[in-house]
Amino acid sequence: EDKVVQSPLSLVVHEGDTVTLNCSYEVTNFRSLLWYKQEKKAPTFLFMLTSSGIEKKSGRLSSILDKKELFSILNITATQTGDSAIYLCAVDTGTASKLTFGTGTRLQVTL
Amino acid sequence: DTAVSQTPKYLVTQMGNDKSIKCEQNLGHDTMYWYKQDSKKFLKIMFSYNNKELIINETVPNRFSPKSPDKAHLNLHINSLELGDSAVYFCASRMGFSGANVLTFGAGSRLTVL
Repeated sequence: EDKVVQSPLSLVVHEGDTVTLNCSYEVTNFRSLLWYKQEKKAPTFLFMLTSSGIEKKSGRLSSILDKKELFSILNITATQTGDSAIYLCAVDTGTASKLTFGTGTRLQVTL
Repeated sequence: DTAVSQTPKYLVTQMGNDKSIKCEQNLGHDTMYWYKQDSKKFLKIMFSYNNKELIINETVPNRFSPKSPDKAHLNLHINSLELGDSAVYFCASRMGFSGANVLTFGAGSRLTVL
């Protein structure tokens, strides 16, 4: 069975800190790995990663994939209270493009 | 304009009732999904339709029946509701099966079964 594991499950940091969220996976057929941010409602797309070693960056957020070791990290630098959310990692296994999600990391940024 | 819209946003009902959740997307996508998010925020796929054809049917009780009248709509009907059905149900869509295309989610429908 395809599996996606995220760590830590939850994290509380102070504004300005840098955080690293982890996602490891075991799937039979890998196509891509995606990161989503979920605040109160719908998960919103952050990054899609398909190749190892190529960093994707958007403002203070960046992510990288290691297909050999089967994991990805999401970095957030200079965190702000608006970064407080659940961060979801998902793997597209190509089986009818099914996304298998991890359990998420709940990030809380305090003042 | 809302890309993926679900109704209702909130639904509170008694055990044993039958209820439906509707989903519509105006993105021109041809693949639609239903995901269930439990109280621990774990998102799990339930169904996927491509051009009105059922593609994915995870091990979901047959009390759950999806219906896709056209490729822009995917509705979810639930019979004989149970307490464990309480969750947030997310509809999502994407274009085709290409790995390059990202899933777009609706805002979710929170179902509470009493």
